[in-house]
Amino acid sequence: DAGVTQSPTHLIKTRGQQVTLRCSPKSGHDTVSWYQQALGQGPQFIFQYYEEEERQRGNFPDRFSGHQFPNYSSELNVNALLLGDSALYLCASGLHSGGEKLFFGSGTQLSVL
Amino acid sequence: RKEVEQDPGPFNVPEGATVAFNCTYSNSASQSFFWYRQDCRKEPKLLMSVYSSGNEDGRFTAQLNRASQYISLLIRDSKLSDSATYLCVVKAGDSWGKLQFGAGTQVVVTP
Repeated sequence: DAGVTQSPTHLIKTRGQQVTLRCSPKSGHDTVSWYQQALGQGPQFIFQYYEEEERQRGNFPDRFSGHQFPNYSSELNVNALLLGDSALYLCASGLHSGGEKLFFGSGTQLSVL
Repeated sequence: RKEVEQDPGPFNVPEGATVAFNCTYSNSASQSFFWYRQDCRKEPKLLMSVYSSGNEDGRFTAQLNRASQYISLLIRDSKLSDSATYLCVVKAGDSWGKLQFGAGTQVVVTP
């Protein structure tokens, strides 16, 4: 039973570029949340997708956008990258009707130069 | 003011000793509370949920004080493998999937 998988594991971009990160939820899960974790900080909630719609959003600019596909996988897109976007991006999945337990993927480490 | 605040540590603990630390939260509407463990730059993993009556899982004991809005974690008989960052996590009742994380408390268990 595969857990939450994210790709790529590492990525290097330059300022102003755009990036797409991908997440496949744990088998049986239907909800995906994205988090940004800067060095020395806790993860910060970006947004959550359920039934292919963004259901909740944290305090992130609209340069951050996402998508959920019919198979429940999800993408996080970041436009016009800034140096401050360098962070570990974590995807978490859960079952919307099955309680609050979330499972995290191992993340994508994004470096913006 | 941050919604969830933790002492960053590090807490240096001799193997076999007991260590305890707290976190405070600002949103009185928070309804669910958790401790996650995170090893260096890896994904957070759920350690335990925290219930109002307090709960224990082996060597780990979690307490919740709603009146003072803090959560505690106690680790007994510390093992070298307990070295990690412990993240305090809070969720408001109407925000399924939206967890508020503290910045973490680092614990280093030494031989």
